[in-house]
Amino acid sequence: GENVEQHPSTLSVQEGDSAVIKCTYSDSASNYFPWYKQELGKGPQLIIDIRSNVGEKKDQRIAVTLNKTAKHFSLHITETQPEDSAVYFCAASEGQFYFGTGTSLTVIP
Amino acid sequence: ETGVTQSPTHLIKTRGQQVTLRCSSQSGHNTVSWYQQALGQGPQFIFQYYREEENGRGNFPPRFSGLQFPNYSSELNVNALELDDSALYLCASSLVSSYNSPLHFGNGTRLTVT
Repeated sequence: GENVEQHPSTLSVQEGDSAVIKCTYSDSASNYFPWYKQELGKGPQLIIDIRSNVGEKKDQRIAVTLNKTAKHFSLHITETQPEDSAVYFCAASEGQFYFGTGTSLTVIP
Repeated sequence: ETGVTQSPTHLIKTRGQQVTLRCSSQSGHNTVSWYQQALGQGPQFIFQYYREEENGRGNFPPRFSGLQFPNYSSELNVNALELDDSALYLCASSLVSSYNSPLHFGNGTRLTVT
């Protein structure tokens, strides 16, 4: 089955700086890559997704890039704010969803 | 638009007991899937239901079973509870039965097995 690896496991940035989280996947059949944000005591919330026929997608301060050849995709958050502090999960889908182990992002005011 | 709701929010059970968790899907969504999230880990796929039938299953034993009802709500049943079953159980609904359709999660049920 698919194996998704996510790095780093923890990330601290100053408010206003950028944050980048990277994921790799193993199955070339995977064709859908969502990113989720999970706040304490809540379920994961979809923040952005990308399909395999697209290389980059942007939504305001959030962007995702996909390199199918290298089998990796990344989440970029610009102008970080304290409310961006949460755990972020990447996922890859090739017939079922496989999630990474999460990145705990802390934005320091 | 009503989101995914799960009940109960917390539950404590003893090893060997059985538990039933419930989920109401987001309005308009006909597909429900269940995930187990251990502490510090990402969600792991248990199974998916579409049109009241299981149409996908992860690497979980048969003592994990489910149901989907005509109104698209769902139940997760776990028999013969083990200590390792302690986790956050997440229900997610999606608009169509496709693994490329975005998942919308509820806030989960925290199960503790003692």
